[in-house]
Amino acid sequence: SQQGEEDPQALSIQEGENATMNCSYKTSINNLQWYRQNSGRGLVHLILIRSNEREKHSGRLRVTLDTSKKSSSLLITASRAADTASYFCATGQVYNTDKLIFGTGTRLQVFP
Amino acid sequence: DGGITQSPKYLFRKEGQNVTLSCEQNLNHDAMYWYRQDPGQGLRLIYYSQIVNDFQKGDIAEGYSVSREKKESFPLTVTSAQKNPTAFYLCASSIDRIITGELFFGEGSRLTVL
Repeated sequence: SQQGEEDPQALSIQEGENATMNCSYKTSINNLQWYRQNSGRGLVHLILIRSNEREKHSGRLRVTLDTSKKSSSLLITASRAADTASYFCATGQVYNTDKLIFGTGTRLQVFP
Repeated sequence: DGGITQSPKYLFRKEGQNVTLSCEQNLNHDAMYWYRQDPGQGLRLIYYSQIVNDFQKGDIAEGYSVSREKKESFPLTVTSAQKNPTAFYLCASSIDRIITGELFFGEGSRLTVL
């Protein structure tokens, strides 16, 4: 069963604007990861945040994690047309360390 | 270059036929995974393998079969028992048997049943 739910399902912005995507999950996690998928391609790992971390940065990406609310957000600053893709969160669970559970994804469209 | 290679990229199948999707990795990763993705949906786990000659069912294993005879290979067979096989199939690997880090994905195989 899928655990993560992303919000919004779709997001359209202009180049230069910031994009924020949210992920909620249901059970205790070890880590939460964000992936990017260009249309018709495989997923590419973006960033991992562990359950004892609250915020992490990588280039134009900023991820926050609130374990009390069981939620995470991914912020992409100064978006570019090349950021157009689907973004998925995935959780590594405390009680089942064999696999990641993926959310339903946010489709981001960045207009030039 | 190290990575995961899936083939074929596109595959068409008639109803009632079995098809096998190939997944090969040269990353020396222990664990490998097969996911199914339907349009506009997230990924659902079909099967995974943490060690050679062993594999476990995921959330939607019915109608699928796998083997792990070699560390670098994890083929997926979509059988005629799979009621709705048209989908995008993704293979992935992780360095450890227990997921503590990222998954590495192939470029996917798109299966269409005619």
